Amino acid sequence: QAVLTQPSSLSASPGASASLTCTLRSDINVATYWIYWYQQKPGSPPQYLLNYRSDSDKQQGSGVPSRFSGSKDGSANAGILLISGLQSEDEADYYCMIWHSSTWVFGGGTKLTVL
Amino acid sequence: QVQLVQSGAEVKKPGASVKVSCKASGYTFTSYDINWVRQATGQGLEWMGWMNPNSGNTGYAQKFQGRVTMTRDTAISTAYMELSSLRSEDTAVYYCARTIVNTGVFDPWGQGTLVTVSS
Repeated sequence: QAVLTQPSSLSASPGASASLTCTLRSDINVATYWIYWYQQKPGSPPQYLLNYRSDSDKQQGSGVPSRFSGSKDGSANAGILLISGLQSEDEADYYCMIWHSSTWVFGGGTKLTVL
Repeated sequence: QVQLVQSGAEVKKPGASVKVSCKASGYTFTSYDINWVRQATGQGLEWMGWMNPNSGNTGYAQKFQGRVTMTRDTAISTAYMELSSLRSEDTAVYYCARTIVNTGVFDPWGQGTLVTVSS
């Protein structure tokens, strides 16, 4: 089982909200991990968005709109990237990442389509 | 502004080695780590390893242990990633990323270097 699992795709309408999940393997407790989120548009390198551990422990990337926020769902053992007020420019691939067993591990990525 | 500029595309034969450079500007090179990440066409991101330019300390993903070497030249603010014994599966875009020490904040990233392994 992969360390991090992300749905391969997600579609949402402009102006709506999108919740992108990053599920940790069942033997890894999301509560103790920093979850990092990256956005990648076609033909460009990834860009750092934010990282989240708790409501009191989080960071937003420089220039990243507040429409992007992080959270966790302990019952699902998952990190969440919430994008509100979706815009066409938010259409991209989104990757989560954690530090696990002395390794940076990326999720497989979610392709977000805004239509 | 903070910038990482990588070397150009490479075409290599199986079994050869490739060395990708990553030149930093706009910040103190030795104050941040450099991480290397690769991405095969149409695939996800794969972490390869990190280097601290100040100490030269490195850490590699187990998958690449023995095949990857990360070095730096502080005089010219440049990091290097060398991958040996190349095979077709190593065909990918290779990225360097400035990293706040002891965090996963990879920001910014280089523009990427396409390495093609083909006979």
